[in-house]
Amino acid sequence: DTAVSQTPKYLVTQMGNDKSIKCEQNLGHDTMYWYKQDSKKFLKIMFSYNNKELIINETVPNRFSPKSPDKAHLNLHINSLELGDSAVYFCASSQSGGQGAHFSGANVLTFGAGSRLTVL
Amino acid sequence: GENVEQHPSTLSVQEGDSAVIKCTYSDSASNYFPWYKQELGKRPQLIIDIRSNVGEKKDQRIAVTLNKTAKHFSLHITETQPEDSAVYFCAASRSWGGGNKLTFGTGTQLKVEL
Repeated sequence: DTAVSQTPKYLVTQMGNDKSIKCEQNLGHDTMYWYKQDSKKFLKIMFSYNNKELIINETVPNRFSPKSPDKAHLNLHINSLELGDSAVYFCASSQSGGQGAHFSGANVLTFGAGSRLTVL
Repeated sequence: GENVEQHPSTLSVQEGDSAVIKCTYSDSASNYFPWYKQELGKRPQLIIDIRSNVGEKKDQRIAVTLNKTAKHFSLHITETQPEDSAVYFCAASRSWGGGNKLTFGTGTQLKVEL
């Protein structure tokens, strides 16, 4: 069973189009994330949801809109795609441990396989 | 916010040698420091992590050390093997209710040569 699955794995599209990437986790985690990995391999957090509530929203253009219908799903919709949006987008999940939690497993991110977006 | 610097950006070693990757962080409140390994075309995967109440942790050929005073932590891989070749990322975050905001370093491309 795939723990964190995201679709599609590859996405090639034209500038100006709108596209979505979907993510699902079956680990029972209550926190999900979107990370962007650019051509230089730099991993940067974009968004995080905890139990369907947005808790992290980095400096990301308004063209990017995450949606979490339930705690097992986190989708990413991108409007008016630009060349600079080309990257690998990783979904991830973790089990939050509560304030100051130190038990084993808290904070550990499990990543999906990534969705490679190419904007032409 | 947190800033994590990682060195070197590339590292080439002979099989059987040791490899060391170093990271520094800026936020003194950070208390969780994981290391992820990303093979070519694959997802990042956790290989070891350390929390701020521990100075060193070891798992077979991999060890991580943490110096809270100096705000730096290091990954040590002994007896390197070709399958250790990958990009390694350090990261830092605070524990807080509702998950964690991991800030990653810029990655180290490790190449283990035969």
